[in-house]
Amino acid sequence: DTGVSQDPRHKITKRGQNVTFRCDPISEHNRLYWYRQTLGQGPEFLTYFQNEAQLEKSRLLSDRFSAERPKGSFSTLEIQRTEQGDSAMYLCASSLDIYEQYFGPGTRLTVT
Amino acid sequence: EDQVTQSPEALRLQEGESSSLNCSYTVSGLRGLFWYRQDPGKGPEFLFTLYSAGEEKEKERLKATLTKKESFLHITAPKPEDSATYLCAPKRDTDKLIFGTGTRLQVFP
Repeated sequence: DTGVSQDPRHKITKRGQNVTFRCDPISEHNRLYWYRQTLGQGPEFLTYFQNEAQLEKSRLLSDRFSAERPKGSFSTLEIQRTEQGDSAMYLCASSLDIYEQYFGPGTRLTVT
Repeated sequence: EDQVTQSPEALRLQEGESSSLNCSYTVSGLRGLFWYRQDPGKGPEFLFTLYSAGEEKEKERLKATLTKKESFLHITAPKPEDSATYLCAPKRDTDKLIFGTGTRLQVFP
């Protein structure tokens, strides 16, 4: 039974560059979530999908952020024109309907 | 506005010394409360879901309880491998989790 996987695990980029992260949920999980976590804080909700539909977006998700989940399987999170304040751990989680959310290992982004 | 407060922020215990972690919340439309364990540099690991006041769940040395305003995570006779950050997260009717900042637990042999 494979869990949630995320790629890459680490990303270092220069300010102003675009980055894209991928998340593969647990097989048959129809809901997929993105959270962001900074040091010493709990994860903060960014957005979530039910199948391919994006149902909710946090106001934390500025115009530079976009997420997709084509065909209701894997998801991508893109950040355009990165800023130093975007440095964080980006976490993906999946669930079957309204039940427990299982998290992946995260992608740690460092913007220099 | 939704609020989640976890206390203490950090807790140091001797191996075998039982204690409790607190999660107090003000969340409208509560649909459950989740507890997670997080090791440094890793994603949160699911522990429990509690759905109604009075509910209790146990897993090894951990027991979680829920009231209308707070949840407790009791740790009985902890071991060094229980050292981690413990996060609570109430869930609203919109399905998103609202995390506290966590309690950082260190258990010394």
